[in-house]
Amino acid sequence: AQKVTQAQTEISVVEKEDVTLDCVYETRDTTYYLFWYKQPPSGELVFLIRRNSFDEQNEISGRYSWNFQKSTSSFNFTITASQVVDSAVYFCALYDQTGANNLFFGTGTRLTVIP
Amino acid sequence: EAQVTQNPRYLITVTGKKLTVTCSQNMNHEYMSWYRQDPGLGLRQIYYSMNVEVTDKGDVPEGYKVSRKEKRNFPLILESPSPNQTSLYFCASSRSSGGAWTDTQYFGPGTRLTVL
Repeated sequence: AQKVTQAQTEISVVEKEDVTLDCVYETRDTTYYLFWYKQPPSGELVFLIRRNSFDEQNEISGRYSWNFQKSTSSFNFTITASQVVDSAVYFCALYDQTGANNLFFGTGTRLTVIP
Repeated sequence: EAQVTQNPRYLITVTGKKLTVTCSQNMNHEYMSWYRQDPGLGLRQIYYSMNVEVTDKGDVPEGYKVSRKEKRNFPLILESPSPNQTSLYFCASSRSSGGAWTDTQYFGPGTRLTVL
């Protein structure tokens, strides 16, 4: 079973629109970590946020916000007032205690912000 | 500057010609790992290392080897590359060997490998 599902393969929005990237995860562990990474066109992976399973408090960082809901096993990422520089592939990832010390990535969502 | 470096960044090679992709980190991290990124599949772990001389297989280890003789270096070796190993490769490191899940993994810039 896929551990991390990012159902949105590609999203396009017009600049200044808000956009939410969905992430649904699956784990049997009570202790786990969730991550979001950004991969701009240049290719590197940029860490955005890490959230542990005991902290359901939502997080806001500038135009970015994250909504963690254990009841629905979701960790969604919202960009407010999107900008062209937000265009990238965004990956959600899960770290749990099963198997190897492995970060399970979703397949990514490609966000295109149109000027 | 704290960073993970990879070399080369781009490589085109032919089937069967042994190659090594180097990875080095300057953060004294215990945990290092290699991933490959393929379209529609996200990133998948190839190998990881909890510390010097401690390595183990990830999800897709076939056709790869690694070694961890020094804390800072974690080279990825393709003894006999094949076209299905054409991919974008990332090295990553994190502070703790107690579980990279307790610490954020930091990624290198990636190595784009093409095997003809």
